[in-house]
Amino acid sequence: NAGVMQNPRHLVRRRGQEARLRCSPMKGHSHVYWYRQLPEEGLKFMVYLQKENIIDESGMPKERFSAEFPKEGPSILRIQQVVRGDSAAYFCASSQGQTGYTFGSGTRLTVV
Amino acid sequence: GQQVMQIPQYQHVQEGEDFTTYCNSSTTLSNIQWYKQRPGGHPVFLIQLVKSGEVKKQKRLTFQFGEAKKNSSLHITATQTTDVGTYFCPRSSGNTPLVFGKGTRLSVIA
Repeated sequence: NAGVMQNPRHLVRRRGQEARLRCSPMKGHSHVYWYRQLPEEGLKFMVYLQKENIIDESGMPKERFSAEFPKEGPSILRIQQVVRGDSAAYFCASSQGQTGYTFGSGTRLTVV
Repeated sequence: GQQVMQIPQYQHVQEGEDFTTYCNSSTTLSNIQWYKQRPGGHPVFLIQLVKSGEVKKQKRLTFQFGEAKKNSSLHITATQTTDVGTYFCPRSSGNTPLVFGKGTRLSVIA
């Protein structure tokens, strides 16, 4: 019973490129959450999705960032035209209802 | 909205000493969850408390939920180096996503 799978674990992008982060939730979980964490900081909520629906995107920047959770396949967090300030660890979590979240190992994005 | 404050922000202890972190809310909580994140790792769900006055134990960890459901604590007895990490009690409200603060960062000196 695999947990939350995120890939890639590490991603290096040059300024201006696009970054695509993938997340497959735990089997049976229909709620997916994306968080961003800067070094020495807490987790900042970005977006909450259920299958084919964005439920809450209040924490996601309006420009350059988008997220989806299609009917088939993983959830994708997409960052267009990356800048140095996007460098961070991006964690995906899944849950079923109001139970505890299961987090993936994260994607460490470095923008050079 | 609900505000959950966690103290202390940092704690350094000698191995073998006890450690406690506290979460306090300005409003009544329906439940509280605790997570631990090791350095370089990802958050791991530890427990959820729901009932007023609830106390749960996991080996050396004791979790309490206050009678008024406005505060909670995590107590670690006889800390070990494996306890190093940041402990979070995120704010939860109905079906809205968890809001994490900075947590309490625990360092254990061997």
